Amino acid sequence: EDQVTQSPEALRLQEGESSSLNCSYTVSGLRGLFWYRQDPGKGPEFLFTLYSAGEEKEKERLKATLTKKESFLHITAPKPEDSATYLCAVPRADTGTASKLTFGTGTRLQVTL
Amino acid sequence: DAMVIQNPRYQVTQFGKPVTLSCSQTLNHNVMYWYQQKSSQAPKLLFHYYDKDFNNEADTPDNFQSRRPNTSFCFLDIRSPGLGDAAMYLCATSNWDRPYEQYFGPGTRLTVT
Repeated sequence: EDQVTQSPEALRLQEGESSSLNCSYTVSGLRGLFWYRQDPGKGPEFLFTLYSAGEEKEKERLKATLTKKESFLHITAPKPEDSATYLCAVPRADTGTASKLTFGTGTRLQVTL
Repeated sequence: DAMVIQNPRYQVTQFGKPVTLSCSQTLNHNVMYWYQQKSSQAPKLLFHYYDKDFNNEADTPDNFQSRRPNTSFCFLDIRSPGLGDAAMYLCATSNWDRPYEQYFGPGTRLTVT
């Protein structure tokens, strides 16, 4: 069974204090890994797609990387507006013609002044 | 801006009283999904439509039904809500050419009294 585990569950950073979030996965045949951002009371917002080990994607202060077993979301010099829950997801083995995603439970990031 | 819209944003219903949640999209995506998300948990897929084809998850209770009258609209019907059905309900869309990139609406927060 596909599994996605995220760590830490919660992370508190000061503004400008860089760190990384981890997403480890166990799937039979990776067809991609996806990062989403979710603000309280809102739906997830798509951030990145990674398809192969070694791939990296960047967006503003965020950089996502992928290895054969895990993905990291690096946050460089975070600002308070980066506070959110970050979810990672992988397509399920039975995804068929639509995308059935297995989500992790997320890392709740809080950035303080 | 193209988007996914959910109405209402907050819904309060009584135990056992049927309720319908609405989702519309202007992205013209052919796949629409309904997820249930409880506090601090990962989104859980309930079902999805690929065009007009309905796909139910094996563990989705019979209490949950869905309708998609056209490409733009999709409804989630909860026939007899129980206290355990209180959650955030998320609608998402994706398109056939990028099936793993899902675009979420803001969600409907359902309270059952």
